[in-house]
Amino acid sequence: EDQVTQSPEALRLQEGESSSLNCSYTVSGLRGLFWYRQDPGKGPEFLFTLYSAGEEKEKERLKATLTKKESFLHITAPKPEDSATYLCAVQATSGTYKYIFGTGTRLKVLA
Amino acid sequence: NAGVTQTPKFRILKIGQSMTLQCTQDMNHNYMYWYRQDPGMGLKLIYYSVGAGITDKGEVPNGYNVSRSTTEDFPLRLELAAPSQTSVYFCASSYPQQGSSYNEQFFGPGTRLTVL
Repeated sequence: EDQVTQSPEALRLQEGESSSLNCSYTVSGLRGLFWYRQDPGKGPEFLFTLYSAGEEKEKERLKATLTKKESFLHITAPKPEDSATYLCAVQATSGTYKYIFGTGTRLKVLA
Repeated sequence: NAGVTQTPKFRILKIGQSMTLQCTQDMNHNYMYWYRQDPGMGLKLIYYSVGAGITDKGEVPNGYNVSRSTTEDFPLRLELAAPSQTSVYFCASSYPQQGSSYNEQFFGPGTRLTVL
């Protein structure tokens, strides 16, 4: 069964304290892995798509990487405005266009 | 472009009432989705559509119905509302019809529904 697991569930960082969020996945074939940011009371906002192992993408203080079993979202020198829930989703090559979401990591960056 | 819009933003229903959650996208996307998000849980797929006139069930379809008569609109119908349907509902769309290879989803702002 296709599955996505994110860890940790919650993370508190001091401003400037770099860390990584993990997304482990089990899927028959990977069409794409997606990272989203969700602020309280809002819909998820797209950050990155990764398609193959070894791929990396960056945006400001965020960098996403992908292996055959997991993806990491690295946050370098975070600021309080990076506080949000970060969601990971995978899309399988199993012939449908459904996305499977993890439960997210709630990040709080303290000033 | 407005992107994905949802109405209403908030709604309180009594047990047994019915309502329709509206979703519209102006990006000419083929695919549209309805999710529910409960506290501490991931997004659960209710229904999805790959084009006008074509819909299919997701993980948690019981108690809901959908229709897709146009590319732009994908309403979600709740019949006989139950407390278990208290949740935040998100509509999303993806896959432009032509001219792009990207397939990330674009989400609406959500509808917060309470059933009492």
